[in-house]
Amino acid sequence: DAGVTQSPTHLIKTRGQHVTLRCSPISGHKSVSWYQQVLGQGPQFIFQYYEKEERGRGNFPDRFSARQFPNYSSELNVNALLLGDSALYLCASSLVRGGMNEQFFGPGTRLTVL
Amino acid sequence: AQTVTQSQPEMSVQEAETVTLSCTYDTSENNYYLFWYKQPPSRQMILVIRQEAYKQQNATENRFSVNFQKAAKSFSLKISDSQLGDTAMYFCAFMMNTGNQFYFGTGTSLTVIP
Repeated sequence: DAGVTQSPTHLIKTRGQHVTLRCSPISGHKSVSWYQQVLGQGPQFIFQYYEKEERGRGNFPDRFSARQFPNYSSELNVNALLLGDSALYLCASSLVRGGMNEQFFGPGTRLTVL
Repeated sequence: AQTVTQSQPEMSVQEAETVTLSCTYDTSENNYYLFWYKQPPSRQMILVIRQEAYKQQNATENRFSVNFQKAAKSFSLKISDSQLGDTAMYFCAFMMNTGNQFYFGTGTSLTVIP
């Protein structure tokens, strides 16, 4: 069975540009979460979507937005990129919300902002 | 607010030996889950072990076990019979029972020495 997939694997952008990252959850999983992992740090929560609705938002500026599609795949959008947005962006999926459900992480998208 | 602290940025262990990784957390919640995730150099986060806060019995998964001290808010991971494949970054994480996000520590980089 396919795990969580993310695209692209790597991405290089310049300051001020916009970026879209994509995530496909494990088949049957309805919850998708996004995390930002800056080098040397633990992942920081950005968003959770469940059944196509935003169910949680971390402490990130409005430049960050996301959505979930009817097939439960998800996009993370970041506008007006800053150097500090350089990070590994992780997507995680689970059947439903809540800690009792195992979350599976994708390999991540490495974003470099120059 | 929930916080997770991992005070050991780096650790090493000889192959076949036992190592313990420390984690403390702070929360006012009573029902929650604690996790240890492994992130090998290939980046994909993998669940190692999970503990429900309402269970007093420590979780075990083969060579991996935890020492969960709820009153002390401590959640350490013990790896027995360390193998080269255990070399990775290990993250301790917290999630509330009805939660929608992980709170991660800053990680411990473990190296298993042949």
